[in-house]
Amino acid sequence: AQRVTQPEKLLSVFKGAPVELKCNYSYSGSPELFWYVQYSRQRLQLLLRHISRESIKGFTADLNKGETSFHLKKPFAQEEDSAMYYCALSGGTGFQKLVFGTGTRLLVSP
Amino acid sequence: NAGVTQTPKFQVLKTGQSMTLQCAQDMNHEYMSWYRQDPGMGLRLIHYSVGAGITDQGEVPNGYNVSRSTTEDFPLRLLSAAPSQTSVYFCASSLTGWGTGELFFGEGSRLTVL
Repeated sequence: AQRVTQPEKLLSVFKGAPVELKCNYSYSGSPELFWYVQYSRQRLQLLLRHISRESIKGFTADLNKGETSFHLKKPFAQEEDSAMYYCALSGGTGFQKLVFGTGTRLLVSP
Repeated sequence: NAGVTQTPKFQVLKTGQSMTLQCAQDMNHEYMSWYRQDPGMGLRLIHYSVGAGITDQGEVPNGYNVSRSTTEDFPLRLLSAAPSQTSVYFCASSLTGWGTGELFFGEGSRLTVL
């Protein structure tokens, strides 16, 4: 069965500090992995997906199949990064198999 | 271009009442879905549709009905509301259901069942 684990409910850092939001997954096949973000009073939106190998708003995420992880990283956090972040996994068979983690709230203080 | 529009944004129901959460998208997306978001549970899929006339159950379908008579609309019906259905509901759509594109979400509907 597919499973996504985000071990931290809350991650609190100071502005300018590095950020790493952890995501571990369980899936026997080749996963499609995503990070979604929900800023205060805004819609949930796609931040990045591993297949695109993009860097969005300074965030990157590398798929590590050996450790079954897809951690989200940013070298220097900004206050506007404060939001709820969800890691999600699709088994490649469609969005009907998209499984979300429980989310991590990132709080960046000045 | 409104994207995905959900109504109402807030609703309070009494146990046993029925209601419909509306969802409409203007992007000509084939795939539409409903999620519920509960504290500590992440988002869980309720029902989804891969096109007009086609719907299927997700992870937590009990107590909910859906239909997809048009490409644009995907209403979620609560037949007899229960306190366990107190949640925030999100509608989402994508061009296709293949899972490689982007899911576009509505703003959410907060439902309280007393």
